[in-house]
Amino acid sequence: QVQLVESGGGVVQPGGSLRLSCAASGFNFSSYGIHWVRQAPGKGLEWVAFIRYDGINKYYADSVKGRFTISRDNSKNTLYLQMNSLRGEDTAVYYCAKDWIWWFDPWGQGTLVTVSS
Amino acid sequence: EIVLTQSPGTLSLSPGERATLSCRASQIISSSYLAWYQQKPGQAPRLLIYGASSRATGIPDRFSGSGSGTDFTLTISRLEPEDFAVYYCQQYGSSPPYSFGQGTKLEIK
Repeated sequence: QVQLVESGGGVVQPGGSLRLSCAASGFNFSSYGIHWVRQAPGKGLEWVAFIRYDGINKYYADSVKGRFTISRDNSKNTLYLQMNSLRGEDTAVYYCAKDWIWWFDPWGQGTLVTVSS
Repeated sequence: EIVLTQSPGTLSLSPGERATLSCRASQIISSSYLAWYQQKPGQAPRLLIYGASSRATGIPDRFSGSGSGTDFTLTISRLEPEDFAVYYCQQYGSSPPYSFGQGTKLEIK
């Protein structure tokens, strides 16, 4: 079955960097776009970034533009999110989710990123 | 930017009752671009409804979606204990391309 598994979360100081990974299985990874969506503790969902199936087109939320970079390695069925210049407001559970153009399905279980000194 | 406003913020009902959740958009959106998700504590969101009214694979038929233009509704016809969760609507637009409502918490009365 389709499965997405995030990893790489942890505690990082403000201004620091972290790279998240999302390992995909159960579908033809190289044929689908993938999103990152985050959820701050006790808050709602916020779309973060999207990368097209071929990695050519990438889109970002204004809140992370210039600081986060989405990428993928289709040979490894893996999606990445490089997060630089991290701030307290970036503290959240980060989910990857398979793209269906207008909606997301399924979602991974998420990985927690905590930005704190 | 299209803003989605969900109401009520919290809905208190008993198992067996009917739940009606609202999602209002700040601008007209295509029905194709509206989806609903369910999220239980400690779990990832799960797609329930896409295209405003189509049930995702494996979703029970007690869940239904409707609406058009700026007003959309998720209805749960007869609440089961496992339905108590937070529900989010989501739209596809232009900038930002995707946005979510703030959520409705469905709690047991």
